[in-house]
Amino acid sequence: AQSVTQPDIHITVSEGASLELRCNYSYGATPYLFWYVQSPGQGLQLLLKYFSGDTLVQGIKGFEAEFKRSQSSFNLRKPSVHWSDAAEYFCAVGAFLGNEKLTFGTGTRLTIIP
Amino acid sequence: DTGVSQNPRHKITKRGQNVTFRCDPISEHNRLYWYRQTLGQGPEFLTYFQNEAQLEKSRLLSDRFSAERPKGSFSTLEIQRTEQGDSAMYLCASSPGGGPYGYTFGSGTRLTVV
Repeated sequence: AQSVTQPDIHITVSEGASLELRCNYSYGATPYLFWYVQSPGQGLQLLLKYFSGDTLVQGIKGFEAEFKRSQSSFNLRKPSVHWSDAAEYFCAVGAFLGNEKLTFGTGTRLTIIP
Repeated sequence: DTGVSQNPRHKITKRGQNVTFRCDPISEHNRLYWYRQTLGQGPEFLTYFQNEAQLEKSRLLSDRFSAERPKGSFSTLEIQRTEQGDSAMYLCASSPGGGPYGYTFGSGTRLTVV
């Protein structure tokens, strides 16, 4: 069975500082990996996704993520955060081999301080 | 492309009542998914449809829950005899096909059972 661990429940960074959100997955084959962002009371917006090829993936809003198979990780990064980045971030893994569901982590809440 | 639409946005109901939620996917998407998200957790898969066929149901979907997608367009999720534990955000998503597409989520329906 697939699973996702987001070890950081809450992260606080200063505006303009760099950001890294951690994600570790468990899956027996090559996973499909996603990062979503959720603002309070809203649905989820896809930031980026990885399926194959280049292990460094670029997404929207200046985010990027790096797939590291040896570490079973897919960490999200941004070089300089903006106050509007404050939200909940979810990492998800999918198999898409006759099983179309995504398995989400418990999320990391990001707070930005001026 | 008007996105995935969910109605109502909020629903407050008394324990024991039945409730029904509606999801209108992106028109050209043939796959539709329902997820449930409780406070402080990531979304959990409930069920999904390919066109009008319900292809998978989670064990989370007890006998009190039923979902339909008549004619492969909009979908409804009904909860009978609601319990306080049903209080959650119910998220709908759609995608154009299986495989590495990622979902487009709606804004969700927030259910509060009192």
